[in-house]
Amino acid sequence: DSGVTQTPKHLITATGQRVTLRCSPRSGDLSVYWYQQSLDQGLQFLIQYYNGEERAKGNILERFSAQQFPDLHSELNLSSLELGDSALYFCASSVAIGQPQHFGDGTRLSIL
Amino acid sequence: KNEVEQSPQNLTAQEGEFITINCSYSVGISALHWLQQHPGGGIVSLFMLSSGKKKHGRLIATINIQEKHSSLHITASHPRDSAVYICAVRENYGGSQGNLIFGKGTKLSVKP
Repeated sequence: DSGVTQTPKHLITATGQRVTLRCSPRSGDLSVYWYQQSLDQGLQFLIQYYNGEERAKGNILERFSAQQFPDLHSELNLSSLELGDSALYFCASSVAIGQPQHFGDGTRLSIL
Repeated sequence: KNEVEQSPQNLTAQEGEFITINCSYSVGISALHWLQQHPGGGIVSLFMLSSGKKKHGRLIATINIQEKHSSLHITASHPRDSAVYICAVRENYGGSQGNLIFGKGTKLSVKP
């Protein structure tokens, strides 16, 4: 058990919809990272937060947004969903930027 | 060309064999990570290293910064080692911490 909790584990929805993925980091970790893993692209970095502030952006679409709340949990919002957004979405946390990351079990998003 | 290349893509071994997975990268890095992803999808961070060698149980990771190459070795392999092993590098932007760039993974299957 990594200590990182992601909910829900599975999500099935339709094109055009909006979903929110939630991540609770490991106790004491201030940094949260979001990643997308699709069959054709592999793992890709989306966005990083540190103590509530956005610190880095990767290959995150404009339809996607995220935030980290004062209690350090984070949410990834995906809107106007397309078939190609079907993927595993991982959250990871670390004590500080550059330190080893601990991964959640992921949320499997299926778009029908 | 991908910035992080892993070889082989697929590897089948007999229980007890010594296994080597290679990772080459083309960017300047501040650290390299080895991750293990089990068939269920969960990701575990195995090593983070920036120089030399690290050992944990039957796993050994080495890195050669000059040659931009890292290897992950598994001694006395076991069927429970069957997983996808992913190499990821943290790009070094003139001293600041970059984001993780992932290889496409090596799928290892260890037969009893």
